[in-house]
Amino acid sequence: GNSVTQMEGPVTLSEEAFLTINCTYTATGYPSLFWYVQYPGEGLQLLLKATKADDKGSNKGFEATYRKETTSFHLEKGSVQVSDSAVYFCALSAGAGGTSYGKLTFGQGTILTVHP
Amino acid sequence: GAVVSQHPSWVICKSGTSVKIECRSLDFQATTMFWYRQFPKQSLMLMATSNEGSKATYEQGVEKDKFLINHASLTLSTLTVTSAHPEDSSFYICSASGTGGGQFFGPGTRLTVL
Repeated sequence: GNSVTQMEGPVTLSEEAFLTINCTYTATGYPSLFWYVQYPGEGLQLLLKATKADDKGSNKGFEATYRKETTSFHLEKGSVQVSDSAVYFCALSAGAGGTSYGKLTFGQGTILTVHP
Repeated sequence: GAVVSQHPSWVICKSGTSVKIECRSLDFQATTMFWYRQFPKQSLMLMATSNEGSKATYEQGVEKDKFLINHASLTLSTLTVTSAHPEDSSFYICSASGTGGGQFFGPGTRLTVL
């Protein structure tokens, strides 16, 4: 079956530090890949996505590249801010068309805390 | 953006009672809603998928008679935990998707069964 593995947290960084959160996956076929973010007290929000190999998703300074050869989708940001403190989830969907309205398989989430 | 609400945000109940959780799409019509369960420091686990007007499709290992799901309208789905026990204590999250694509998540409901 499908599965997603994220690096274990929590991750604590100083403001303006470089962020990497690793994510690898196992799936049949060609899944779409997503990063979701959950701020305190709020629901999960789609941060970025990639639908095919070598696609790069980007949003709010965050980036992730769909690497089929390494089955990875690592999240990166060059300079984090205090407001980036949240829980980040890597997810995949085996649904067609790159939509996120199909079934999602989530990683365990990584708590990020950014200090001033 | 699309907004999904859940009610209540937290609930405490006695063992053996039933609890109903509502999930509403506030500004779009949700043709499909998903219910997830999240244990502390663990991933979201999909429990079931419901399409408006149809019976829910449950994931393997999820008891359909214990977790009753109703999706009677395009803006409301409910999850009823019947005869709740302490092991049912968890964080329940719904999400909704419409014809425009995308999946939008509610803020979750914390259930504690004493």
